[in-house]
Amino acid sequence: GIQVEQSPPDLILQEGANSTLRCNFSDSVNNLQWFHQNPWGQLINLFYIPSGTKQNGRLSATTVATERYSLLYISSSQTTDSGVYFCANDYKLSFGAGTTVTVRA
Amino acid sequence: DTGVSQDPRHKITKRGQNVTFRCDPISEHNRLYWYRQTLGQGPEFLTYFQNEAQLEKSRLLSDRFSAERPKGSFSTLEIQRTEQGDSAMYLCASKGDYNEQFFGPGTRLTVL
Repeated sequence: GIQVEQSPPDLILQEGANSTLRCNFSDSVNNLQWFHQNPWGQLINLFYIPSGTKQNGRLSATTVATERYSLLYISSSQTTDSGVYFCANDYKLSFGAGTTVTVRA
Repeated sequence: DTGVSQDPRHKITKRGQNVTFRCDPISEHNRLYWYRQTLGQGPEFLTYFQNEAQLEKSRLLSDRFSAERPKGSFSTLEIQRTEQGDSAMYLCASKGDYNEQFFGPGTRLTVL
């Protein structure tokens, strides 16, 4: 199956800071999604982004399909942004291991 | 709430017992997926249905696991003779005409 590599594995931010999360894929990009998993385990959809750039409030994402990677930007981070961020690819969603984000007040 | 729902949310069972989980997808979504997530890992694909047909099963789905979607609406995932290694979060997702999957809250299984 498709291999998904996420970096960094852990990220500690001061409230108000900006950050970039990255996903690299071993195969072609399609059906790419970004999720935020809350402390109760619920996966919350952030973006469906097989190519191009999208923005939703303080979050934005860019996928460069020809180079098999995607980036998630968090701007002006808040404590509520804490949690695990996953990217996933393919029709049956191969997930990376996640980036654990901790935002400190 | 018209999202994906799962029942139960938590299940504690003893090794060797059978358990069954239910997933109700978003109305009119014809594709339904099951995933398993262990601590510190991303979810892993188990199986998926298009309407009532089970189209693909992962090698993770051993003979003790069976999934059904008899009328193309809700789905059940049964684990027979549970083992401690089955302890995990079991996630269900559904997809309609577009390619975005939406997840339920999950069922957390603990096998003692």
